[in-house]
Amino acid sequence: SQKIEQNSEALNIQEGKTATLTCNYTNYSPAYLQWYRQDPGRGPVFLLLIRENEKEKRKERLKVTFDTTLKQSLFHITASQPADSATYLCALDRNNAGNNRKLIWGLGTSLAVNP
Amino acid sequence: DAGVIQSPRHEVTEMGQEVTLRCKPISGHDYLFWYRQTMMRGLELLIYFNNNVPIDDSGMPEDRFSAKMPNASFSTLKIQPSEPRDSAVYFCASSAQGAYEQYFGPGTRLTVT
Repeated sequence: SQKIEQNSEALNIQEGKTATLTCNYTNYSPAYLQWYRQDPGRGPVFLLLIRENEKEKRKERLKVTFDTTLKQSLFHITASQPADSATYLCALDRNNAGNNRKLIWGLGTSLAVNP
Repeated sequence: DAGVIQSPRHEVTEMGQEVTLRCKPISGHDYLFWYRQTMMRGLELLIYFNNNVPIDDSGMPEDRFSAKMPNASFSTLKIQPSEPRDSAVYFCASSAQGAYEQYFGPGTRLTVT
């Protein structure tokens, strides 16, 4: 079946370390993949978008990689801070079919950064 | 900009009642999305509009759900009649033409008893 998998277990790391979150997908050929952050009681907030022809994207302490052969994206937060604690969601379009804006979402990975 | 605005923030209703959720997208955004989020199923797209026209409503669970977008600054999601299994957080999001990132509202937490 078509699905997106993210680490189901919460990730606990020490402040200052690098957090690495995984997003795996099957049976899709997405044109792009997005990462969002969600805090309790709030809507998701967009972080980064990476296209199928891009291997890596960076924004400040964030880095995203996209391997279309492995069907996997990795999301890194370097020099993590307690304020980075949240749930991180990945989302992708099903395929590059015209201008279809429908996104398929993973269930998210909860990250806790301990001081 | 105030961002995406949703109302109400919380709604508690009894089974069988009609529920109407409201959304005001970010000004200038051409796309509007309605999502439902639960612990078990995560975020699910219900329907999305482009320039006020419904493009994909394949995620609408059944005929009890309907959505309208009468103009560029307002949309409603209606559930009639509501059932306990409709309890979830409903999000509205908007997006600009030529950009794929979506901007979410704060959500409406719906509880149907």
